[in-house]
Amino acid sequence: NAGVIQTPRHKVTGKGQEATLWCEPISGHSAVFWYRQTIVQGLEFLTYFRNQAPIDDSGMPKERFSAQMPNQSHSTLKIQSTQPQDSAVYLCASSLQGGDTQYFGPGTRLLVL
Amino acid sequence: DAKTTQPDSMESTEGETVHLPCSHATISGNEYIYWYRQVPLQGPEYVTHGLQQNTTNSMAFLAIASDRKSSTLILPHVSLRDAAVYHCILRSNNNNAPRFGAGTKLSVKP
Repeated sequence: NAGVIQTPRHKVTGKGQEATLWCEPISGHSAVFWYRQTIVQGLEFLTYFRNQAPIDDSGMPKERFSAQMPNQSHSTLKIQSTQPQDSAVYLCASSLQGGDTQYFGPGTRLLVL
Repeated sequence: DAKTTQPDSMESTEGETVHLPCSHATISGNEYIYWYRQVPLQGPEYVTHGLQQNTTNSMAFLAIASDRKSSTLILPHVSLRDAAVYHCILRSNNNNAPRFGAGTKLSVKP
């Protein structure tokens, strides 16, 4: 079991560019969660899918951020027109059903210059 | 899910037994108590969870108060590798995703 896989592990992008982050959940897990972590804000919830359907996106910034889960094997988080304040570690987690134990990936460290 | 309260930081020395408290005064009957820990440059790692009874595994012992309004994660004989931020959160099997607070930063001295 490879655990939750996140790619890329590091991404540097210029202000105004687009960034796409990938997450591959543990095989058989039906729930995928996205979080963002910074020193100032801590670990912030962004969005949550279960069986590929969006369940809770209340943490997603209203503009520029979007997430999809086109199939059960991966989810993407897209940030359009990136800004320096988007710099953070983006963490993906999966769980078997949703209300149970989450398993986190290593995160993608995004730096917007 | 209900909110939890934890101390910002705690210090310990190698070999000691550490008690990490968590208060959850408004916990609902169907909410589980989960503990995760996070070291720098890694995602949170599951430690343990419980509903009402105390639980134990290879990593820790979870003591849950009889009224369930508080819990304590007990780490026996800590080592330097146990230095981490420990998060206490509540989960119920519903459509709400878990929110993490700042957790307790545990420092371990040699």
